[in-house]
Amino acid sequence: AQTVTQSQPEMSVQEAETVTLSCTYDTSESDYYLFWYKQPPSRQMILVIRQEAYKQQNATENRFSVNFQKAAKSFSLKISDSQLGDAAMYFCAYLYSGGGADGLTFGKGTHLIIQP
Amino acid sequence: DGGITQSPKYLFRKEGQNVTLSCEQNLNHDAMYWYRQDPGQGLRLIYYSQIVNDFQKGDIAEGYSVSREKKESFPLTVTSAQKNPTAFYLCASSIRPPAGYNEQFFGPGTRLTVL
Repeated sequence: AQTVTQSQPEMSVQEAETVTLSCTYDTSESDYYLFWYKQPPSRQMILVIRQEAYKQQNATENRFSVNFQKAAKSFSLKISDSQLGDAAMYFCAYLYSGGGADGLTFGKGTHLIIQP
Repeated sequence: DGGITQSPKYLFRKEGQNVTLSCEQNLNHDAMYWYRQDPGQGLRLIYYSQIVNDFQKGDIAEGYSVSREKKESFPLTVTSAQKNPTAFYLCASSIRPPAGYNEQFFGPGTRLTVL
C-alpha cells in the first residue's frame, strides 16, 4: 500500500521569504500523480499544484513550485514571496493513475505560519 | 453555481445513535468520496463510489455505511459501531476517466461531535 510522509508538523517563515515543505512517499507503481493541497482555517481543501509522475519537468503555479525527485520518491513544495494568505495546513497527496477514480492518500500535513 | 454541498456544518449526536451526513453535487461528476480528518492527521478515505449503485470501501470503512442511489448524492451514515466518530468529514467528487488524472473537488465539510 502507498504511504505519504510529511516530516515537518509545523513551519514558520517571514512574509516575503521563501519556504520549502517536504514530502516523501512510498509506492510500487510507476504511474501516479502527486498533489499539494492547502487547507486554510475555513477548512476548505484547495488544490495548489499537481505533478504527473511521467513528467520530468517540475510543475509550477505562480509562486508555487515543486521539486519532484522520482527515484528518491520525494516531492517538496516551494512557496516564494510568502504572503499572509498562504498561512494554512498543507497536505501532500498521492493518486495512482491506473485506478480511474480511486481515493487520494494524504500525508499528515504541515502547518505553515507566516510571520508579518 | 456548480459545487458540492454538505449539510449541516456542525452536527451533534448522542453516543449510540446513528447519524447520516449529507453530500450533494451538481457538477455532473460520476465519482464521489468520503474522507475523515482528525486533529494532527491528514484525510483518510472512508468510502468511494465510481458510479451510481456501486461503492467500495476505503481504508477506514468500519463503522460506516453509504448509498449511491442518485448520481448527485452520496450520503454517509456513521453507525454506533464506529468507536470514535467525532471528527471532521469531507466529501469530494470527480469525473471518472478510464485512467489518469481526475481532480477531486471538495465540499466544505461537516464537523460531527458525539456527546
